[in-house]
Amino acid sequence: DTAVSQTPKYLVTQMGNDKSIKCEQNLGHDTMYWYKQDSKKFLKIMFSYNNKELIINETVPNRFSPKSPDKAHLNLHINSLELGDSAVYFCASSQDPTGGVGNTQYFGPGTRLTVL
Amino acid sequence: AQSVTQPDIHITVSEGASLELRCNYSYGATPYLFWYVQSPGQGLQLLLKYFSGDTLVQGIKGFEAEFKRSQSSFNLRKPSVHWSDAAEYFCAVAPYNNNDMRFGAGTRLTVKP
Repeated sequence: DTAVSQTPKYLVTQMGNDKSIKCEQNLGHDTMYWYKQDSKKFLKIMFSYNNKELIINETVPNRFSPKSPDKAHLNLHINSLELGDSAVYFCASSQDPTGGVGNTQYFGPGTRLTVL
Repeated sequence: AQSVTQPDIHITVSEGASLELRCNYSYGATPYLFWYVQSPGQGLQLLLKYFSGDTLVQGIKGFEAEFKRSQSSFNLRKPSVHWSDAAEYFCAVAPYNNNDMRFGAGTRLTVKP
């Protein structure tokens, strides 16, 4: 069973469109995250959710909105896609971060988004 | 400022040779430390982590890392590299009480036959 899964794996779309990327974890973790990996492989955290509350929100455009229907899911919705949004987006999850082992994040396989 | 530095962007080693990938961090206190590997077209897989205790940490796939507080380093090592180890390697740190994980820029490993 895949611990952290993402769909779709590849997403190609036109500028201006709205798209969503789904993420699910079956690890029973409390916190989920979205990262963006740019063309230079640099990983930057975008959001994290703990028990449906946003606890980290880096300076990302408000076109990006995380949506968490339940503890096991954190979807990423992107409005009005731009060329610069092309990247690989990774979902991750971890336990309660206040314990040592809770800081370990487990990553999904990534979604490669290409905006034309 | 908090930061994670991987000084080597790209390293090439011969198959069977030893490997050391460098990672240095700058944090107010000793953070939790991680190494992840990303194979081409794949997600990130956790290789090993350090929270406390023995400063030499064993991970999967024959990797180990040593935490050196005096040097603020957490270098990854492997005694004998296999062709399948060719990948991108990321060092990451997180403070002890929250999940604000920061990644280094990554080191790309190429393995020569």
